[in-house]
Amino acid sequence: SQQGEEDPQALSIQEGENATMNCSYKTSINNLQWYRQNSGRGLVHLILIRSNEREKHSGRLRVTLDTSKKSSSLLITASRAADTASYFCATADLYNNNDMRFGAGTRLTVKP
Amino acid sequence: GAGVSQSPSNKVTEKGKDVELRCDPISGHTALYWYRQSLGQGLEFLIYFQGNSAPDKSGLPSDRFSAERTGGSVSTLTIQRTQQEDSAVYLCASSPELLSTMNTEAFFGQGTRLTVV
Repeated sequence: SQQGEEDPQALSIQEGENATMNCSYKTSINNLQWYRQNSGRGLVHLILIRSNEREKHSGRLRVTLDTSKKSSSLLITASRAADTASYFCATADLYNNNDMRFGAGTRLTVKP
Repeated sequence: GAGVSQSPSNKVTEKGKDVELRCDPISGHTALYWYRQSLGQGLEFLIYFQGNSAPDKSGLPSDRFSAERTGGSVSTLTIQRTQQEDSAVYLCASSPELLSTMNTEAFFGQGTRLTVV
């Protein structure tokens, strides 16, 4: 079963706008990660936020984590056409050391 | 190699045939994971290895699915008597340690697209 659930399922914006994607999860976690996937193939790691962190930045990416609400958000600022991809959140279960669970993803389209 | 390598890249097989999917993880990575992704869907966890051991096989969809890892390196996912619902992209990922730790990310291969006709 999947752990994280992203919303929206799809997002379409113009270049230069900001894109915000949200993720909710169900269990207690060690960390939460965001990944990007182009063309339905391999995923690329974007950013990891630990359970004791509330916000993290990496370039144009900003991730927040609210463990009380079991939710996270990914903000991409000043979006570019090259940001068009699917974005997934993934959680590592605090009490189950065997796997990382992914949500269904948000399909982002950035129009030039 | 520098990254996770999966082969074949694409596989078309007839219903009822067996298939083997291969994953070469990054050298030195002790943890290896298999996921399945149907078209437009998220990733479904199948199985993980810590070294050569797979402590939990409950994610495998049926007893037609099996996986092994030898020498702490290459892993093979085998699907016996393939069915059309097995059609998906099968993704492999490796990590220096278990993904449940605080600081580890997964490195993914490009996947094997399996089509059962």
